[in-house]
Amino acid sequence: EVQLVESGGGLVEPGGSLRLSCAASGFTFSTYTMKWVRQAPGKGLEWVSYITSSSTTIYYADSVKGRFTVSRDNAKNSLYLQMNSLRDEDTAVYYCARYLVVAGGPDYWGQGTLVTVSS
Amino acid sequence: QTVVTQEPSLTVSPGGTVTLTCASSAGAVTSGHYPNWFQQKPGQAPRALIYSTSSKHSWTPARFSGSLLGGKAALTLSGVQPEDEAEYHCMVYYGFFWVFGGGTKLTVL
Repeated sequence: EVQLVESGGGLVEPGGSLRLSCAASGFTFSTYTMKWVRQAPGKGLEWVSYITSSSTTIYYADSVKGRFTVSRDNAKNSLYLQMNSLRDEDTAVYYCARYLVVAGGPDYWGQGTLVTVSS
Repeated sequence: QTVVTQEPSLTVSPGGTVTLTCASSAGAVTSGHYPNWFQQKPGQAPRALIYSTSSKHSWTPARFSGSLLGGKAALTLSGVQPEDEAEYHCMVYYGFFWVFGGGTKLTVL
């Protein structure tokens, strides 16, 4: 069974940093592209970042470019999102998702972790 | 900045049929944009339903179908069930970025 479990969310002050993790199981993590998607309270979904299986290609949404860094450790079946210079508008539930190239989108999603940026 | 637009809300009767659409400010949505559809119930993560315009995941009920209609991506639910009440999100691919629509809240009443 495919499982994606996010962790690392919490309350942080504006300008602060946080590192999210996503533990993957039930599939060969090292062969899949992964994405981070977020959802602000009461709002729609927003794509955040994309990383290919060997980390050779990485993309970011303009809203987080230069502040967020995505990475992965295939030996640990884990995906990460380092978030720096956090702003109020980064408050959201952050989901990691497995990306299917043939689908042009994610098939499996984690349950999400809440990041709240507030003073 | 590309904006993807969905109906904010729709209401359908049990057993009925409803079509949700997904339009892009960048022009017609085509199969090359790999439109995807996701279902999300309150307090839950999104669940993938349709990919590449009309392909279904192994868990997608047969009553859900995807298509292109008049330059938009479309999701049709036929024989709607009470458990289909949810928020539906479309997502469109633009080469180096992906854009989600604002979501359609579907009420089954």
